[in-house]
Amino acid sequence: GAVVSQHPSWVICKSGTSVKIECRSLDFQATTMFWYRQFPKQSLMLMATSNEGSKATYEQGVEKDKFLINHASLTLSTLTVTSAHPEDSSFYICSARDERAPLNEQFFGPGTRLTVL
Amino acid sequence: SQQGEEDPQALSIQEGENATMNCSYKTSINNLQWYRQNSGRGLVHLILIRSNEREKHSGRLRVTLDTSKKSSSLLITASRAADTASYFCAPHTSGTYKYIFGTGTRLKVLA
Repeated sequence: GAVVSQHPSWVICKSGTSVKIECRSLDFQATTMFWYRQFPKQSLMLMATSNEGSKATYEQGVEKDKFLINHASLTLSTLTVTSAHPEDSSFYICSARDERAPLNEQFFGPGTRLTVL
Repeated sequence: SQQGEEDPQALSIQEGENATMNCSYKTSINNLQWYRQNSGRGLVHLILIRSNEREKHSGRLRVTLDTSKKSSSLLITASRAADTASYFCAPHTSGTYKYIFGTGTRLKVLA
């Protein structure tokens, strides 16, 4: 149980295009999901908290108009990187909070490698 | 939310040896979780220890928690090359579900 998937696992795009990344909780419902980005050999940086049916909460310094988050259902959150630039190249990871778990543990997706040319 | 800080930043050991890594945090917690990240992959949940627990085991993993010192340790016994990964702790404080990760401990197990 408590499996989280991401799609795609990797994507290469041209500068200026938009890319959508999906995060799904496969066997549980998640009203709250989280999006992180990670640069090589660095830690995960929390970008935003995705709330089902309401607006996402962004961390300080994260541009909400550039990183659009939509949490339209209890099992799906999407992150759209708009007008991507090479500096947006990174590893994007989502996590989902399992409300069934005794302490609402978070479970992580396998990540999406984004390369912007 | 609060950040856990892992120590050491890097650790290199021989296969079969034990690996110990530590995590420190600053304010009271409800529980603390340890995660493993293989290179280029997502995080795998290893173990959760509650604030009223002092020690917990899972296979070759042993986690301790000292709330008076605001620290936790993760011990991997009889390490294997497959244990090579980065390890992160995530202290959980009531009132928020956000995790703020530290830089992790990069463990390398040499065959």
